[in-house]
Amino acid sequence: GAVVSQHPSRVICKSGTSVKIECRSLDFQATTMFWYRQFPKQSLMLMATSNEGSKATYEQGVEKDKFLINHASLTLSTLTVTSAHPEDSSFYICSANPIQSQETQYFGPGTRLLVL
Amino acid sequence: QKEVEQNSGPLSVPEGAIASLNCTYSDRGSQSFFWYRQYSGKSPELIMFIYSNGDKEDGRFTAQLNKASQYVSLLIRDSQPSDSATYLCAADLSGGSNYKLTFGKGTLLTVNP
Repeated sequence: GAVVSQHPSRVICKSGTSVKIECRSLDFQATTMFWYRQFPKQSLMLMATSNEGSKATYEQGVEKDKFLINHASLTLSTLTVTSAHPEDSSFYICSANPIQSQETQYFGPGTRLLVL
Repeated sequence: QKEVEQNSGPLSVPEGAIASLNCTYSDRGSQSFFWYRQYSGKSPELIMFIYSNGDKEDGRFTAQLNKASQYVSLLIRDSQPSDSATYLCAADLSGGSNYKLTFGKGTLLTVNP
């Protein structure tokens, strides 16, 4: 149980384009999902908290107009990196908290983004 | 600034030994503590969580929590080379108000055959 999927697992795009990453909880419902970014050999950096049916809460320094988050249902949150630039190349990981045990985060497998 | 601190390592132990990973946190109000394992190039995987003072055992893993000392640890018995990974300690420093976790920077564990 508590399986989280992400799609795509890997994406390469040109500078200036937008990329959408999906995060799905497969066997549970989640009112809260989180989006993280991780650069090589660095720790996880929380970008935003995604709440079903309401606006996401962004961490300090994260541009909400660049990283658009939509939490349309209890099993799906999406992160769109708009007008991507090479410095946005990173490992993007989502996590989801089951409604039944909201204090526990389960991570998706991550999406590796490379912007050329 | 609420923080979770870990020794970055690397911690190197021989196969079959006990690996001891330590973590301290800054906020006495924290209620929930988690250990995740992250293999290189992969996302974190939940190993254990602990809420109460004392020990909690799950297979070869034992989590220990001491709220008075603001200290949480993870023991791995009979360490295997497949346990080689970065271990992340995390705490809900919000006291359960928003379920955000604060992560330590991780301890790199190497188990030598």
